[in-house]
Order: sequence, then C-alpha cells, then structure tokens
Amino acid sequence: AQSVTQPDIHITVSEGASLELRCNYSYGATPYLFWYVQSPGQGLQLLLKYFSGDTLVQGIKGFEAEFKRSQSSFNLRKPSVHWSDAAEYFCAVGAFSSASKIIFGSGTRLSIRP
Amino acid sequence: GAVVSQHPSWVICKSGTSVKIECRSLDFQATTMFWYRQFPKQSLMLMATSNEGSKATYEQGVEKDKFLINHASLTLSTLTVTSAHPEDSSFYICSARDSRPSTDTQYFGPGTRLTVL
Repeated sequence: AQSVTQPDIHITVSEGASLELRCNYSYGATPYLFWYVQSPGQGLQLLLKYFSGDTLVQGIKGFEAEFKRSQSSFNLRKPSVHWSDAAEYFCAVGAFSSASKIIFGSGTRLSIRP
Repeated sequence: GAVVSQHPSWVICKSGTSVKIECRSLDFQATTMFWYRQFPKQSLMLMATSNEGSKATYEQGVEKDKFLINHASLTLSTLTVTSAHPEDSSFYICSARDSRPSTDTQYFGPGTRLTVL
C-alpha cells in the first residue's frame, strides 16, 4: 500500500540556517513524489515534484529535494531559511500521472527562530 | 500557474442543514478533481475522486450519501455535505488535474472552512 512518513512533527531552525525535512515513502511502483507547503488557513502550494530523471530536483523559493531510491526517501532541503518559510510542509506520493490520487504524509511544521 | 478556486472560503451552518462547496478550475479544463478533508493540525485525507460525467469514486470509510459529489462540467465540481453535524466541521480542499502535456499536474484550491453549529 502507498504511504508517506514524515518523522518530524515540528522543527525549529534559526533564520539563515540550513533546513532538511525528512520524507520516506512506501510504494509498489515508480512513485511520483511531491512536496507541498501550506501556510496557516491556506491551501497548498506545490514546491517541487519528481517523476523521473535527475534525482536532485529544484523547486520554487530556493527549495530542492533529492530522490534516493535505495533509501525510499525524498528529503527537502534549503540552504538558508527565511522567516517567511514558517509553514506546514507535506510530502506526498502518487502514481504515474496526475490523474492518480495523491497520498499525503502527516506534515512537518516549520518554525523559524529570529 | 493554473488557478483553482473554491467557494465559499468559509461557511457556518446549523446542524441538520446541507452545505454545497464549489471547486472551479479557472484557466484549464479538469476531467478529474479530488476532494480532501483536513482536520486541525493534521494532514489531508482524500475523500473522493471526481470524474467529469461519471460517478465519483469514494475512499474507504467515506459516506457517499453524506458527501455528495457532482462533476457536471470540465471546470466545476461540487461537494455537498448533507445533514451536516458538528463532527463534519473541517477544512475541505479540492484539487483539479490539468492534463495538458506541458503541465500534467494537480492544482489545489485555497480550501473551504466549514463550521457546523
């Protein structure tokens, strides 16, 4: 069965520090992997997605993620966080096309320390 | 990027009444739309997949008679919460599939917050 695990419920980092949010997935076939960000009371914004090809994916707002098949991981990184990055981050997995349903992880709440 | 809207953005209703939430794709046609439910400080749970011109496919545990989904056109899907009760209070989010080869991705609406008194 498809599943996504985000082991960190809440992370606090200092502004300007680097960030890594962890994501592990379980999927029977080649997964489509996503990272979304949700600000309080808002909908979801797609940060980046991985379907195939280069395993290091660049996204918006300076985020990147690396797909590691051997570890079933798709961790999100940012070299230097800004206060505006404080939000809820969701890792998600889907099937081979956008017609398929997306399964979301439980989310990681990111707080930024001034 | 593509825009998906939801209306209303928030609604308060009395227990026992029905509430309709609209999800529209504004600049693309969406043959497939999805409805999610999100409880406070929790993740999104897929409720159903809505296909234009056919019946919705509901996830296990979702009452199809309570959460009526209609996808009558390529730009509009509606979710009707029938005989709403306080436990139905939640944040409902839709997504729409843009199947054009240049994008082929799902775009999410801003969500609708439902409060049932």
